[in-house]
Amino acid sequence: EAGVTQFPSHSVIEKGQTVTLRCDPISGHDNLYWYRRVMGKEIKFLLHFVKESKQDESGMPNNRFLAERTGGTYSTLKVQPAELEDSGVYFCASSRAQGSHEQYFGPGTRLTVT
Amino acid sequence: GNSVTQMEGPVTLSEEAFLTINCTYTATGYPSLFWYVQYPGEGLQLLLKATKADDKGSNKGFEATYRKETTSFHLEKGSVQVSDSAVYFCAFSSWGKLQFGAGTQVVVTP
Repeated sequence: EAGVTQFPSHSVIEKGQTVTLRCDPISGHDNLYWYRRVMGKEIKFLLHFVKESKQDESGMPNNRFLAERTGGTYSTLKVQPAELEDSGVYFCASSRAQGSHEQYFGPGTRLTVT
Repeated sequence: GNSVTQMEGPVTLSEEAFLTINCTYTATGYPSLFWYVQYPGEGLQLLLKATKADDKGSNKGFEATYRKETTSFHLEKGSVQVSDSAVYFCAFSSWGKLQFGAGTQVVVTP
């Protein structure tokens, strides 16, 4: 069974540009999560999809961030326009169910905004 | 509000030494507790979990016990190996989403 994959692994962009991160969850996992770790701090929740619907987007920092999951398969997270403070590692995770069920994480996308 | 506090790193140990990483949490109710590990160049992996008070999670020689009275979930391993060098994250589950600590980097030297 393939794990969670993320693309790209690393992105370097200038302030004001747009970047789109992609996450492919494990096949059959309805739940998809985005998290972010900024500058060695704690990993923070961004949002949660159940299939194609946003279940919880309370962690999205502002309206420069847009997440989609069309068709309930892969998800994209777009940052537009990017700011310096958006630099960090963006993790995607998926799970078959919510609650205490294990979330399987991808390797992350390291975003550097200069 | 909800939070996880874990000891700051880096923690540097010699091979076969005893490892403890302290973790305390603040949460409503009785959440499930987790330790995740990130090895160099890899994604986060679930190391162990405990879903109710006094449960002990264990895996790969690591153990942690869910202590409701002290709201703690300390990670321990009796004899570390160089391959245990990684960043360890304590977390709990709240309404499906994970709340993480800042991570503790562990470096094990031969």
